[in-house]
Amino acid sequence: KAGVTQTPRYLIKTRGQQVTLSCSPISGHRSVSWYQQTPGQGLQFLFEYFSETQRNKGNFPGRFSGRQFSNSRSEMNVSTLELGDSALYLCASRVGSGGHNRDTQYFGPGTRLTVL
Amino acid sequence: KNQVEQSPQSLIILEGKNCTLQCNYTVSPFSNLRWYKQDTGRGPVSLTIMTFSENTKSNGRYTATLDADTKQSSLHITASQLSDSASYICVVSSTSGGSYIPTFGRGTSLIVHP
Repeated sequence: KAGVTQTPRYLIKTRGQQVTLSCSPISGHRSVSWYQQTPGQGLQFLFEYFSETQRNKGNFPGRFSGRQFSNSRSEMNVSTLELGDSALYLCASRVGSGGHNRDTQYFGPGTRLTVL
Repeated sequence: KNQVEQSPQSLIILEGKNCTLQCNYTVSPFSNLRWYKQDTGRGPVSLTIMTFSENTKSNGRYTATLDADTKQSSLHITASQLSDSASYICVVSSTSGGSYIPTFGRGTSLIVHP
């Protein structure tokens, strides 16, 4: 079974631009979560989508948005990029969703975003 | 404010030795606690997940414990191997009003020397 895939793997943008990242979950997984990882803040939760609906959201500004399609693939968009948005963006998928859910979460390799 | 503190920040051990990593949390209301292993340049890999009622969970040479009263968890690695060199991350999820937020620790960087 193929794992979680993320595209592109590396991306360089300049301040003020916008960017869209893509995530394809494991087949049969309906939940996709997005995370930001930086050396300064570590891993932080962005949001989770399940069946095309945003179920949970972390404490990030509205410049960070996402969506999920009917095939469970998900995209994350960051508008008006800032230098501080440089990070590794990880997505993860699992069968179910929610805080009490015990399904194993599988992470993709991440997209390395550099903002100049 | 929900927080997860991990110790030590880094650890160096010799191959074949055991080690224990610590995770203290102030997350409420508690939902579950997960341990992940993250190799450099790769996404985290799930090791264990524990809920409030579980004290111990094993996954091969990895054994996690949870003390919900003291809000502490530990990850014990037995007979370490070179491939155990990685960052180990503790994640505690809280659930409130139908939504949940996972709070991540900063991780413990483990280096296993031959």
